[in-house]
Amino acid sequence: DQQVKQNSPSLSVQEGRISILNCDYTNSMFDYFLWYKKYPAEGPTFLISISSIKDKNEDGRFTVFLNKSAKHLSLHIVPSQPGDSAVYFCAARGGIQGAQKLVFGQGTRLTINP
Amino acid sequence: SQTIHQWPATLVQPVGSPLSLECTVEGTSNPNLYWYRQAAGRGLQLLFYSVGIGQISSEVPQNLSASRPQDRQFILSSKKLLLSDSGFYLCAWSVSGTLMFFGPGTRLTVL
Repeated sequence: DQQVKQNSPSLSVQEGRISILNCDYTNSMFDYFLWYKKYPAEGPTFLISISSIKDKNEDGRFTVFLNKSAKHLSLHIVPSQPGDSAVYFCAARGGIQGAQKLVFGQGTRLTINP
Repeated sequence: SQTIHQWPATLVQPVGSPLSLECTVEGTSNPNLYWYRQAAGRGLQLLFYSVGIGQISSEVPQNLSASRPQDRQFILSSKKLLLSDSGFYLCAWSVSGTLMFFGPGTRLTVL
């Protein structure tokens, strides 16, 4: 049962334009959401997060939006840069008390074209 | 500052051979520790997590096991590797639970 889904395995965007990565979840108990960025042969690095009590969080070129009623979140990158090309993972927290676990989506490979 | 180490970086093993991957964390105490696997074309799957020495929780039935002999050491093992064990193995740590930090990963190829 995939509780966190990223339905687009890949996305191609022109440099300077906006990149929008989407993520859907099924578990209403998730209370915290994160986006990670991953380059090949490296571990994922934290990008941005949002608490379930908010609907938007912004950090420089990155903004995450949360729509709790739709169980949907998205990551906006604007303007997109070539260095943004990577695999992006959406993650949600909602584990057993004392051992919080992150459930990850399948990832979306973002390619920024010059 | 906190750092997380994994080794080896890459590993090629024959089917049926044993496995031992090691992860150590520096700069923090009593972290939660995690093993994730990224199989080809798939997302990050949680394999094991630990909230303390000797405490291991398994997320999915599989051919692997984990141990935590010391506070900041997490080991992933197998007695006999299968082809399906190939993948990219990631160790991670967390303290507050709101943020997880990943190691550099180990690329395992089982032939």
